[in-house]
Amino acid sequence: SQKIEQNSEALNIQEGKTATLTCNYTNYSPAYLQWYRQDPGRGPVFLLLIRENEKEKRKERLKVTFDTTLKQSLFHITASQPADSATYLCARGSAGGTSYGKLTFGQGTILTVHP
Amino acid sequence: DAGITQSPRYKITETGRQVTLMCHQTWSHSYMFWYRQDLGHGLRLIYYSAAADITDKGEVPDGYVVSRSKTENFPLTLESATRSQTSVYFCASSGTSGNTGELFFGEGSRLTVL
Repeated sequence: SQKIEQNSEALNIQEGKTATLTCNYTNYSPAYLQWYRQDPGRGPVFLLLIRENEKEKRKERLKVTFDTTLKQSLFHITASQPADSATYLCARGSAGGTSYGKLTFGQGTILTVHP
Repeated sequence: DAGITQSPRYKITETGRQVTLMCHQTWSHSYMFWYRQDLGHGLRLIYYSAAADITDKGEVPDGYVVSRSKTENFPLTLESATRSQTSVYFCASSGTSGNTGELFFGEGSRLTVL
């Protein structure tokens, strides 16, 4: 089966620092990886998508990388704020056809940013 | 209001009862999904639908039934609820025309089976 693992269950950092979350996958490289944010009692919210042929993607204070050699994606939040505290989910997806939109999710990393 | 809504948000039922969780989206997205979220397992796909009248199984479909007679609705039915189906259920939709799928999730339905 195509697994996705988020190594850290929880990450605590100080405000202003860069948070780095790790997502590892097994077997073949997914067509793309997605990152979602989930607040307590809420549904996940999409943040970023990175395709297999892309090394890096940025959106405001967010940056995601995709390393097919290490079978890993890193998700960075720069200049972190307490409002960034949430659970972050990594998900792998396959391209097109019957696999469209069917994601395999990691268990998530709970990020806490301390003032 | 536009978006994806789930009902009920909270439900307590007993073992053996039938339960239906509703999902409604206003974007006319083609694709809709049901996931369950459990501690230690993350989000797991139960069923998905590519269009009205087209549904298929996901990773954990046993004990669940879905239908999609209209594009905007995708109900999930537990025909005979079991304690192992206690979970938080999320409906999602996607309408991206490309070959990748950003999902839009509802707020979830928390189901407890006693």
